Amino acid sequence: AQTVTQSQPEMSVQEAETVTLSCTYDTSESNYYLFWYKQPPSRQMILVIRQEAYKQQNATENRFSVNFQKAAKSFSLKISDSQLGDTAMYFCAFMNTGNQFYFGTGTSLTVIP
Amino acid sequence: DTEVTQTPKHLVMGMTNKKSLKCEQHMGHRAMYWYKQKAKKPPELMFVYSYEKLSINESVPSRFSPECPNSSLLNLHLHALQPEDSALYLCASSQDEGLAGEATDTQYFGPGTRLTVL
Repeated sequence: AQTVTQSQPEMSVQEAETVTLSCTYDTSESNYYLFWYKQPPSRQMILVIRQEAYKQQNATENRFSVNFQKAAKSFSLKISDSQLGDTAMYFCAFMNTGNQFYFGTGTSLTVIP
Repeated sequence: DTEVTQTPKHLVMGMTNKKSLKCEQHMGHRAMYWYKQKAKKPPELMFVYSYEKLSINESVPSRFSPECPNSSLLNLHLHALQPEDSALYLCASSQDEGLAGEATDTQYFGPGTRLTVL
């Protein structure tokens, strides 16, 4: 069974600073996708970034980037130049070949002005 | 356009009521999902439809009944719910279920229906 672990229930960061959210997962599969989703207080789940397991290059989307370590089964999210709008719950997710999503327990990020 | 819409936004119902949640997407996606989410918890998968056929049912009680009338619509029929069923119900869609067995695509989520069962 796949498991996704987010060991930081809550984090905070000063505006304009950089923060890293950690995520580890456990799987025996070799082909899969990893995602970071953001859920602001309005509750709409929004895709932040995704990574294909077969790609060694780390995905980036503007201020968001990941550090994907396949051997270590680690998938951390780095947010640069944090903005107040980044305040949200962040979920790491794993998707297997059966298209089933497995979510981590989430990290509540607060950006402090 | 990556929009998934859900109606209603809020729903309050008694334990003897029958109600339905609706989800719609026009992205040509062939897989659609229902999730249940409690406050400050991750979404829990309930059902998956692939090409309008139910492919996954995560042992959900029969008081929840999904329906996929066509490739763009997904309903969740509710009957005789319990107060513990109060939650945010999220719908999502993705390109397909990976018919060749490979992992495919991102799930796009709707805004959810906030359900309260009295």
